[in-house]
Amino acid sequence: AQKVTQAQTEISVVEKEDVTLDCVYETRDTTYYLFWYKQPPSGELVFLIRRNSFDEQNEISGRYSWNFQKSTSSFNFTITASQVVDSAVYFCALSEAGTGNQFYFGTGTSLTVIP
Amino acid sequence: DVKVTQSSRYLVKRTGEKVFLECVQDMDHENMFWYRQDPGLGLRLIYFSYDVKMKEKGDIPEGYSVSREKKERFSLILESASTNQTSMYLCASSPGAATNEKLFFGSGTQLSVL
Repeated sequence: AQKVTQAQTEISVVEKEDVTLDCVYETRDTTYYLFWYKQPPSGELVFLIRRNSFDEQNEISGRYSWNFQKSTSSFNFTITASQVVDSAVYFCALSEAGTGNQFYFGTGTSLTVIP
Repeated sequence: DVKVTQSSRYLVKRTGEKVFLECVQDMDHENMFWYRQDPGLGLRLIYFSYDVKMKEKGDIPEGYSVSREKKERFSLILESASTNQTSMYLCASSPGAATNEKLFFGSGTQLSVL
């Protein structure tokens, strides 16, 4: 069974629009960690955020914000006022405390920001 | 900054060849990982290692082996390359053991098997 689901395969938005990337996860552990990574065309995955399961506070970093809701097992990522440089593939990932060395990645969402 | 370096960005090999993909990290990380990335399938774990000479199978180890003789280097080996191993290969590392720390990735190797 897929532990991390990113239902949106591709999204296109016009520059300056807001966009939300969805991530739904599945785990039985009470302690776990959620991540978002960005993969620009250069190929290297860049770390964006790490949240643990006990911290449900939403986080904002510049134009980026994350909404963590345990009740719906979701960890969604919103880009406000999107820019062309935001065009990339975005991956959501889960790591469980019991298997700290294993990361479960979603299939990724390809975001294209049109100028 | 942590640097994870993969020896080749692009590689073209023939079916049946033995292929070595090399990965080096410079931050004394305990854990190292090999993933392959395919469209629509995301990242899938091939092998990982949490110590020198230690290795663990991931989700798709068939057709691959690994070697970790030194802490900083983790090699992925395709014993006899096949066309279905054409893919993007990503190496990653993380500090400590079972700490759920973030992964640091290399730039990837796009392997084409003809």
